[in-house]
Amino acid sequence: RKEVEQDPGPFNVPEGATVAFNCTYSNSASQSFFWYRQDCRKEPKLLMSVYSSGNEDGRFTAQLNRASQYISLLIRDSKLSDSATYLCAAPRDTGRRALTFGSGTRLQVQP
Amino acid sequence: NAGVTQTPKFRVLKTGQSMTLLCAQDMNHEYMYWYRQDPGMGLRLIHYSVGEGTTAKGEVPDGYNVSRLKKQNFLLGLESAAPSQTSVYFCASSQTISGNTIYFGEGSWLTVV
Repeated sequence: RKEVEQDPGPFNVPEGATVAFNCTYSNSASQSFFWYRQDCRKEPKLLMSVYSSGNEDGRFTAQLNRASQYISLLIRDSKLSDSATYLCAAPRDTGRRALTFGSGTRLQVQP
Repeated sequence: NAGVTQTPKFRVLKTGQSMTLLCAQDMNHEYMYWYRQDPGMGLRLIHYSVGEGTTAKGEVPDGYNVSRLKKQNFLLGLESAAPSQTSVYFCASSQTISGNTIYFGEGSWLTVV
């Protein structure tokens, strides 16, 4: 089983819609999780960190469900500019000195 | 604001050739990483370093070597390139393992023919 797994999508949503992605993780001892945004042919950039129950930043909300071992990213009032691939990440099971990433979920917001 | 700089950005290699990717960071970070990204596979860790003079294997280290002779530089070497190493390579650095301090370079596109 991969350490971090995501639905690859794509998620095609209209502008203004609310969309949510989930990411499951295998290491129940992990304390911190991260959502990165990656635009086509660009490097990943940190979107949000999740250390406890959740985190909110404007239209974006990240939540952690320890019982079911998944994190979620909720985007409200989607904008065209939100179109990107969203990667979740967690410290590696081995050594925990680097992050392991999911394969990413692609979001396409349509006008 | 250079941050993390990778060179070269694009390269085409013939099978069996060798090359080195250079990563330089100007943030005095302790940790540096090399990832590769392939379609549908996400980012996979090749090697990483937790300080000058140290290196460690990641998830997919075979066929690659690394060196961290200076704190600011992390080199990724391909001794004998194979078509399976065609990928986008991202270098990253962080002061700690905390995700909000990880910075990625812009990527290096490598094609092995």
